Amino acid sequence: DSGVTQTPKHLITATGQRVTLRCSPRSGDLSVYWYQQSLDQGLQFLIQYYNGEERAKGNILERFSAQQFPDLHSELNLSSLELGDSALYFCASSAMGQAEKLFFGSGTQLSVL
Amino acid sequence: GENVEQHPSTLSVQEGDSAVIKCTYSDSASNYFPWYKQELGKRPQLIIDIRSNVGEKKDQRIAVTLNKTAKHFSLHITETQPEDSAVYFCAANRDDKIIFGKGTRLHILP
Repeated sequence: DSGVTQTPKHLITATGQRVTLRCSPRSGDLSVYWYQQSLDQGLQFLIQYYNGEERAKGNILERFSAQQFPDLHSELNLSSLELGDSALYFCASSAMGQAEKLFFGSGTQLSVL
Repeated sequence: GENVEQHPSTLSVQEGDSAVIKCTYSDSASNYFPWYKQELGKRPQLIIDIRSNVGEKKDQRIAVTLNKTAKHFSLHITETQPEDSAVYFCAANRDDKIIFGKGTRLHILP
């Protein structure tokens, strides 16, 4: 167990809908990362937060947004869902958010039908 | 922009033989290069990492080498065992991002 908690584990929804994925980092970690893993596409970096502030942005679609709350948990919001958004979404945390080990959650498997 | 290329995408080796996975990166400012292992249905986990002030690092059967001039780094697994079967990801940092390669699926053949 990495200490990073992601909920829900599985999510099935329809095109056009909106979902929220939740992540609680390891105790003491200030930084949260979100990654998307599709088949044969590796781990695509979406966005990173540090202590409540957005720190880095990757190839995150405009339909997607995220935030980190004062208690350091983070939420990834996906709206106007398309079939191609079906993927495994991982959250990871690290202590300070710079060039250090990432601890991954177990992921949320999103299926858009 | 940041780019990490990883080869091969699939690798099959006989149990007991060595496996080598290679990665290149594009940003000369990158100074941290981790490797993650993802077993089937599980989360990625760090197995070894190297920083730019070091050329090689070993941890039991696993070693990583870094060539900053050529901007490439490699993972070496010796005396492979069945439990080494997994997908391996290399990564490189740029500022606060950790950018991953597309992964190598390693099969250990009996």
